[in-house]
Amino acid sequence: ETGVTQTPRHLVMGMTNKKSLKCEQHLGHNAMYWYKQSAKKPLELMFVYNFKEQTENNSVPSRFSPECPNSSHLFLHLHTLQPEDSALYLCASSQVTGGFNQPQHFGDGTRLSIL
Amino acid sequence: QQPVQSPQAVILREGEDAVINCSSSKALYSVHWYRQKHGEAPVFLMILLKGGEQKGHEKISASFNEKKQQSSLYLTASQLSYSGTYFCGTESGDYKLSFGAGTTVTVRA
Repeated sequence: ETGVTQTPRHLVMGMTNKKSLKCEQHLGHNAMYWYKQSAKKPLELMFVYNFKEQTENNSVPSRFSPECPNSSHLFLHLHTLQPEDSALYLCASSQVTGGFNQPQHFGDGTRLSIL
Repeated sequence: QQPVQSPQAVILREGEDAVINCSSSKALYSVHWYRQKHGEAPVFLMILLKGGEQKGHEKISASFNEKKQQSSLYLTASQLSYSGTYFCGTESGDYKLSFGAGTTVTVRA
């Protein structure tokens, strides 16, 4: 139990579908992140929310749309995805204090498959 | 820019030691180390801050050479539970982590 819960754990969707990934953290952190993890590739940072404000959009295609309604919840809305978007999507949270980042706590991820 | 990790993979017998290296071309404020087992979330091991300190977690320790922008993770007297993929994450003062491609460690009995 990492304190970060992601749902669903697995998702299969067609290229024309719309779905959402959900992340909830119970750690009282003020920053939340979305990462994409593909086989044999480094973790790719997609979005960063700091105090509910988006502070980073790492050149992510508009078919991925994040939403952070409060500091405990983070969503990733998906629409008209491509086969290359199949990957493990990880959510993480951390406490941003002072000048340095604190450890990030990851959820178990959502395994996304695009048909 | 993402840090470079080496080696890509290492196979050990129980009790053997290993070193994983992480190097960056950017000035670093901190280096994080995580371990991910198959099908599980990455788990935080330790963080090293600018200043060259060394930290430890059980028999796993790490060092940070800020002049060379390098960090090394030392697995000492490895156990079966040490198997997994180890990632370094580097932070350059912007509250974001850039992760290396990972080093897969397999410890055999």
